[in-house]
Amino acid sequence: ETGVTQTPRHLVMGMTNKKSLKCEQHLGHNAMYWYKQSAKKPLELMFVYNFKEQTENNSVPSRFSPECPNSSHLFLHLHTLQPEDSALYLCASSQDIGEDQPQHFGDGTRLSIL
Amino acid sequence: EDQVTQSPEALRLQEGESSSLNCSYTVSGLRGLFWYRQDPGKGPEFLFTLYSAGEEKEKERLKATLTKKESFLHITAPKPEDSATYLCAVQANSGGYQKVTFGIGTKLQVIP
Repeated sequence: ETGVTQTPRHLVMGMTNKKSLKCEQHLGHNAMYWYKQSAKKPLELMFVYNFKEQTENNSVPSRFSPECPNSSHLFLHLHTLQPEDSALYLCASSQDIGEDQPQHFGDGTRLSIL
Repeated sequence: EDQVTQSPEALRLQEGESSSLNCSYTVSGLRGLFWYRQDPGKGPEFLFTLYSAGEEKEKERLKATLTKKESFLHITAPKPEDSATYLCAVQANSGGYQKVTFGIGTKLQVIP
């Protein structure tokens, strides 16, 4: 149990569908992150939120839309995705973006785009 | 641009055969270096943080060390349950945000 829970664990969707990924952390952290992990590539940072405010958008296409209603919950809304968006999407949290503390990860959502 | 290079990409060891994984980095203003373990179908699990050259951290059969240019993860007498992908990440100053850059990992397989 990492303290970061992601749902669903697996998602298969068509290119025209709309779906959402959910992340919840029980660690009392203030910062939350979305990463994309593809085979043979390093983790790719997508978005950073600190105290519910977005502080980083790493040039992510608009078909990915994050939402952070509070410091414990993070969503990633998906629409009109492309086959190359198939990957493992990881959520992480840390105490604060300014602290030299490690990020703690959930087990990810394995996304497959048909 | 910050860079993290891990080697080897894959490593196969016999049970009990000690070895080391390497993480070389190029970064401006290192704030910390992290090691993670990732099992198939799981997210990365935090192992260690190293903050300055000369620092060492240990956990069971794992020992992490740090120099000004690289970090090593030494695995002593590994067991099959140590099989996983080991990720290295560096945290550096990037404006007001402590940016974290990950390597692609070393996939370790320990054979009984």
